Amino acid sequence: EIVLTQSPGTLSLSPGERATLSCRASQSVNSDYLGWYQQKPGQAPRLLIYGASSRATGIPDRFSGSGSGTDFTLTISRLEPEDFAVYYCQQYGSSPWTFGQGTKVEIK
Amino acid sequence: QLQLQESGPGLVKPSETLSLTCTVSGGSSSSSTNYWGWIRQPPGKGLEWIGSIHKSGSTYFNPSLKSRVTISVDKSKNQFSLNLSSVTAADTAVYYCARGACSGGNCYSGVFDYWGQGTLVTVSS
Repeated sequence: EIVLTQSPGTLSLSPGERATLSCRASQSVNSDYLGWYQQKPGQAPRLLIYGASSRATGIPDRFSGSGSGTDFTLTISRLEPEDFAVYYCQQYGSSPWTFGQGTKVEIK
Repeated sequence: QLQLQESGPGLVKPSETLSLTCTVSGGSSSSSTNYWGWIRQPPGKGLEWIGSIHKSGSTYFNPSLKSRVTISVDKSKNQFSLNLSSVTAADTAVYYCARGACSGGNCYSGVFDYWGQGTLVTVSS
């Protein structure tokens, strides 16, 4: 099973700042099948990025994904008030599909 | 706009079977994607993939749950269902149903673009 480790656990930033979230896999993710989700309290996760770098439908271009192999990054270029949430990475290249433990982006 | 809605008991006794149904509306469970999935989230914790089903009926499960899980699809009702047997308190979680994402003609069993709102299932006597 591929273990995904996200860092940092919490990111304290101000609106307008740039956020950089990391996701490291215990082994290479096949075909770069890596996704990123945003989750707000009491809500279902929302798919942001799939295939490591492709934005899902309707996702603003301030969200971007990069990386390959075992190291992946989600970047939010300028934080909007609605971006403060928990972010999860997930690999779907090797069954069982697994999620990282999450990074909380909080208002500084 | 595609919508998914989970339904089922919010309280299940230990050793019994948890049964949930996901109803798809605003689209067809057979035409909009090839895959549907179930994911759960214990209170205050992270996400765990339970399993996925292809519209043909083929299923894929998390090995940690495989011996206790069945997933089925009813195309006529635009529904798919989850059964988890022999539940314990460790199975207490919010259970989500979700649609496997498609892109460029490819559909994926393991990444999900539409989700239900989730339903809390508590295992307790």
